[in-house]
Amino acid sequence: DAEITQSPRHKITETGRQVTLACHQTWNHNNMFWYRQDLGHGLRLIHYSYGVQDTNKGEVSDGYSVSRSNTEDLPLTLESAASSQTSVYFCASSDDAGTDTQYFGPGTRLTVL
Amino acid sequence: GESVGLHLPTLSVQEGDNSIINCAYSNSASDYFIWYKQESGKGPQFIIDIRSNMDKRQGQRVTVLLNKTVKHLSLQIAATQPGDSAVYFCAENETGGFKTIFGAGTRLFVKA
Repeated sequence: DAEITQSPRHKITETGRQVTLACHQTWNHNNMFWYRQDLGHGLRLIHYSYGVQDTNKGEVSDGYSVSRSNTEDLPLTLESAASSQTSVYFCASSDDAGTDTQYFGPGTRLTVL
Repeated sequence: GESVGLHLPTLSVQEGDNSIINCAYSNSASDYFIWYKQESGKGPQFIIDIRSNMDKRQGQRVTVLLNKTVKHLSLQIAATQPGDSAVYFCAENETGGFKTIFGAGTRLFVKA
């Protein structure tokens, strides 16, 4: 069955370190998204991609970057982790069929000490 | 596992009763709406959707109602079961825009 996976599921890192969170989907979806979920804020969009080599900034993109070298993967990189980036991160994907329904991964809990 | 907000509005229902979860959306141009369910430690899961040319859509034990006049969306769950306990949130999207706006969510507790 097609799915979307994230790794690692849990990560503890130190302030200033570079961290990369992986997202892999086998839906063959063109559209992929990264969100963070925090108390009192719900889901907030970090970056998104409409296809290979396409990336776009979301509402909270500062301190994050993504790259899209193939259809299946959209890794999220924190260039220099900050304590404010402690959060739960969700990756999602959707197709171009007009439904706009996003399918989410299981999430990654990131703690920056 | 991954946790969702601890200060969400909460709805507590008895097992077997019907549940109604409400959502007010913000963009009058939104024409596609989705309800998601998020269980503790998991990512959001699609439940049901509705387009703005409809005011009601039914699924298996779930019904979504859309009132565009007052920008209100509701999710009705029939014969609520313990497995329905989760956080539910609505999402709105405008055709041509991939920037889905998510609501903060409502926590549903089902008492056995």
